[in-house]
Amino acid sequence: DIQMTQSPSSLSASVGDRVTITCRATQSISSYLNWYQQKPGKAPKLLIYAASSLQSGVPSRFSGSGSGTDFTLTISTLQPEDFATYYCQQTYSTPRTFGQGTKVEIK
Amino acid sequence: EVQLEESGGGLVEPGRSLRLSCTASGFTFGDYAMTWFRQAPGKGLEWVGFIGGRPYGGTTEYAASVKGRFTISRDDSKSIVYLQMNSLKTEDTAMYFCSRGEKISDYWGQGTLVTVSS
Repeated sequence: DIQMTQSPSSLSASVGDRVTITCRATQSISSYLNWYQQKPGKAPKLLIYAASSLQSGVPSRFSGSGSGTDFTLTISTLQPEDFATYYCQQTYSTPRTFGQGTKVEIK
Repeated sequence: EVQLEESGGGLVEPGRSLRLSCTASGFTFGDYAMTWFRQAPGKGLEWVGFIGGRPYGGTTEYAASVKGRFTISRDDSKSIVYLQMNSLKTEDTAMYFCSRGEKISDYWGQGTLVTVSS
């Protein structure tokens, strides 16, 4: 199975900050990498698919990059509604696996 | 508007069975694969498995933790995907989500809670 490791596991940031979350796969997954945002008590929301494609309706302050084994989710200017947990997921092979999540908290 | 609604969750004893449903609307259901995920209380997301859409003949794949116990099926005439869960274990306690798609899960339901406890 492909293991996905996110870092950091949590971070504290202020509104307006630039935030970067990384995700590393144990083997190459090409660009088969999605990013999701989840708020407490809610379903996950797709932000980025295929490593760098912005899902329709998602603000442009979210961006994704990377290929192979190393990926990044960037929030260019953190907004109050962005405080949430973020997950990466590989869909290169089954089982589809997630990172452990990164909780973005208010500083 | 795409909508997914899960139902069928509840409290069940270990070893028993439960069937979850996910009713879809707002898109041509048969053309899409459908995926089930779960999230144990306070934990991260876990992929459970998927069923392919009509173009892929409804093929299924499962996580090792549920293979042989869980079965995903679909009724395209009713736009429903099912998750039949047999031989339930306490570690199956989780919120279960269905989603549209397989490599890209672009729409999710709000989830249904399954609690396995005696």
